Amino acid sequence: IAGITQAPTSQILAAGRRMTLRCTQDMRHNAMYWYRQDLGLGLRLIHYSNTAGTTGKGEVPDGYSVSRANTDDFPLTLASAVPSQTSVYFCASSESGVMNTEAFFGQGTRLTVV
Amino acid sequence: AQSVAQPEDQVNVAEGNPLTVKCTYSVSGNPYLFWYVQYPNRGLQFLLKYITGDNLVKGSYGFEAEFNKSQTSFHLKKPSALVSDSALYFCAVRDPYNTDKLIFGTGTRLQVFP
Repeated sequence: IAGITQAPTSQILAAGRRMTLRCTQDMRHNAMYWYRQDLGLGLRLIHYSNTAGTTGKGEVPDGYSVSRANTDDFPLTLASAVPSQTSVYFCASSESGVMNTEAFFGQGTRLTVV
Repeated sequence: AQSVAQPEDQVNVAEGNPLTVKCTYSVSGNPYLFWYVQYPNRGLQFLLKYITGDNLVKGSYGFEAEFNKSQTSFHLKKPSALVSDSALYFCAVRDPYNTDKLIFGTGTRLQVFP
């Protein structure tokens, strides 16, 4: 089934550890995004990528890094996790440079940092 | 800055009654607006979008939204609510200065009672 796949679905992580959340899409979308969802705050953009080889900072980029080596994959890395990074993380994709196109979302990764 | 606001954290409605979930926007230029729904433990699903043209937009699951330029609003509506409509609803807007940015509101939880 076409779409976006995120892994893992959930994770409990010790503070200070490094963690990479994986995201893969098979729709050949150029634009990809990482959001975090927190109660009362909605979805906040962490990082995005307009096309392979380029990335940009969103609203809450601190403590996170991304890479975009190819069109399909957009991993999100927490270099040294902190409890405030406990959240549900969603990866999304859409056609790039097209204002009227919707984004497609993965099922999310629930991350708990202890 | 471009933004959307969802003034209600929760909306309660009886099954069979009409429902409205409110959204207002602040965007430079023409707005490109979207509604998404999130069921428990799932990713976001696209419902409908406003690009241009008719101010009443019809979408999935019997939902529609009314674009009002003078009031800068894009309220989600349904003539007759179902219990299965109970979910979290997000309004979003494309950032006209970076077409690959999708900015979300904080979400409104819709609870439909039997």
